[in-house]
Amino acid sequence: QKEVEQDPGPLSVPEGAIVSLNCTYSNSAFQYFMWYRQYSRKGPELLMYTYSSGNKEDGRFTAQVDKSSKYISLFIRDSQPSDSATYLCAMGYNTDKLIFGTGTRLQVFP
Amino acid sequence: DAGVTQSPTHLIKTRGQQVTLRCSPKSGHDTVSWYQQALGQGPQFIFQYYEEEERQRGNFPDRFSGHQFPNYSSELNVNALLLGDSALYLCASSLDTSSYNEQFFGPGTRLTVL
Repeated sequence: QKEVEQDPGPLSVPEGAIVSLNCTYSNSAFQYFMWYRQYSRKGPELLMYTYSSGNKEDGRFTAQVDKSSKYISLFIRDSQPSDSATYLCAMGYNTDKLIFGTGTRLQVFP
Repeated sequence: DAGVTQSPTHLIKTRGQQVTLRCSPKSGHDTVSWYQQALGQGPQFIFQYYEEEERQRGNFPDRFSGHQFPNYSSELNVNALLLGDSALYLCASSLDTSSYNEQFFGPGTRLTVL
């Protein structure tokens, strides 16, 4: 069993939809939870990070961490074609060694 | 600020050869981590360098080695290349603090082993 599980998709939604991306994990010691966005032929860029449990909002993006269920989510409101990318969840005991999910490919069509 | 830069962009090698990849961290950063991203997979942590020493290592064989220079730039060396080493190699830099250290990723080096 992988430490971090993420549905690879692809997920295809119309412009303006609310997108929900999720990851589950097995290691209860993880304290840091991140979401990265990766465009084709580019390196990952950090979207959101959360320490321990709770919610965090930044513009159209909301990250949620439920440590009791070992489940994290990223919500994207009013999705745009420019949001089309691969979304990677990542987590760790600290922020040095990150464990990534496989990534979910998202396509937002006009 | 140029951000994290990596060279070369692409590289083609044959099995058994050796390869060296290079990374320059973001200005002001002192820590460099290397990740391997196979096609359709998430990045996997190889190792991290801080103060010219390997600080943490992932589950990679000794064929993978690295170095950090006094100017904080870093190299990743892979010996005896295997077909399975074909991947995107990502370098990430951060500033070592007592709390959250955001990792900034470079664009990667795409290695193809034939």
